[in-house]
Amino acid sequence: GAVVSQHPSWVICKSGTSVKIECRSLDFQATTMFWYRQFPKQSLMLMATSNEGSKATYEQGVEKDKFLINHASLTLSTLTVTSAHPEDSSFYICSAIGSVSYEQYFGPGTRLTVT
Amino acid sequence: EDKVVQSPLSLVVHEGDTVTLNCSYEVTNFRSLLWYKQEKKAPTFLFMLTSSGIEKKSGRLSSILDKKELFSILNITATQTGDSAVYLCAAHGSGNTGKLIFGQGTTLQVKP
Repeated sequence: GAVVSQHPSWVICKSGTSVKIECRSLDFQATTMFWYRQFPKQSLMLMATSNEGSKATYEQGVEKDKFLINHASLTLSTLTVTSAHPEDSSFYICSAIGSVSYEQYFGPGTRLTVT
Repeated sequence: EDKVVQSPLSLVVHEGDTVTLNCSYEVTNFRSLLWYKQEKKAPTFLFMLTSSGIEKKSGRLSSILDKKELFSILNITATQTGDSAVYLCAAHGSGNTGKLIFGQGTTLQVKP
């Protein structure tokens, strides 16, 4: 089956710094990637939809200048949390879909802790 | 506004019990409904349902969709402790973006 990886799996950073999270589709070309955030005991909340070569589409309430998304190739999307604050601490999950079906393949997630 | 609602939010059963998890949806231009199991990491895919009344089955898990009443159920028979997880329901709605709208999840705990 299709495999999506994320890096890093876990990161701790200081308040005010920026953190970049990578999402890669390993064995297929992902026309679209999605970024989700999940707080403890809550469901996945879609942050943005990322299409290769174009600007990401952000969900209502998500600050595009704070969560920078780049989808430079068909196998890589990155999410940069800029000027991170403790309230940004969360589990960030990406998913990808190919060009054939709409089944989403999820990455393993990145746990971000901002101190 | 599109939404997906799951019930119950949490459930505690004993091994061997049968459980039914519910998911109702209101989604513009509905295309499909998906079930996922989430343990400590990212969700793993269970089922995708697009047609009403056709049961999908995988081992002790089965699921069915009712597009008239806008809901789906996930059944787990002969539960085991390894079934303990959060079960997420998601609907794929309007457009060709592939965007999923997730429900809140049902936390299932199976006691030995």
